[in-house]
Amino acid sequence: EAGVAQSPRYKIIEKRQSVAFWCNPISGHATLYWYQQILGQGPKLLIQFQNNGVVDDSQLPKDRFSAERLKGVDSTLKIQPAKLEDSAVYLCASSLVVPIYFGEGSWLTVV
Amino acid sequence: DAKTTQPTSMDCAEGRAANLPCNHSTISGNEYVYWYRQIHSQGPQYIIHGLKNNETNEMASLIITEDRKSSTLILPHATLRDTAVYYCIAHAETSGSRLTFGEGTQLTVNP
Repeated sequence: EAGVAQSPRYKIIEKRQSVAFWCNPISGHATLYWYQQILGQGPKLLIQFQNNGVVDDSQLPKDRFSAERLKGVDSTLKIQPAKLEDSAVYLCASSLVVPIYFGEGSWLTVV
Repeated sequence: DAKTTQPTSMDCAEGRAANLPCNHSTISGNEYVYWYRQIHSQGPQYIIHGLKNNETNEMASLIITEDRKSSTLILPHATLRDTAVYYCIAHAETSGSRLTFGEGTQLTVNP
C-alpha cells in the first residue's frame, strides 16, 4: 500500500516569498491533516480536512497560510508571504479514523 | 487528550530491550494510548496502541498498568535503527482523529 506522498522534500526561500506544498494521502483516507514541526518540538496541527471540508483550522495562521483540498483527495498548503519563523517541517498525514499515517515531510528554510 | 509525561531522553545498548515509560495519570476511560516514533528526517511512524490490555505487534509491545495511569513501550531487541524520538499520546476516538503530540523521548541506541 502506498503511503502519504509529499513534495517538494526540501525548499529554501527568502522571507516574503511564497511557497506551496503538495500532499497525496493514502488511497481511501477521507481525513487529511497538515502539521507543522519546528526543530526540537513535536508536530503541531495546522488544519484538518474531512473529504474536502475543513474540520479544524483553529491553529492555522490565516493571514499568511492557506490550504485547500479539492475533490477530497490531494491537498496543497501555501505560505505567502513567508517569515523566518515559518522555517519548519510541514507534515501531511491521512487517516480513516485513528491511527493517522504521516508522509516524510517537506522541509522549509526561510532565509 | 489527557496530558502525558515522558522522560526527555534515554539510552539503550544495542541488542538489549528498550523500555520507554509514559505517565498519563489523568487518562479517561475511553482514551487509548498511542505510540509513534520519529526517526531523524522522517515523518512520525505509528507503532502501536492499546486501551487496557497489553498489546504486541511486530514492532513492539505495549504494557499498560491496571489503573491505566502509566504505560511502557518495549522494544525487545533494540537496534541502531531504533534511535528516534518516541511519542506517547492519550486519545479518545470520540474526540475526533486529530492527535496532539508532546515533546517525546529521544531514545539513543548505542553500539
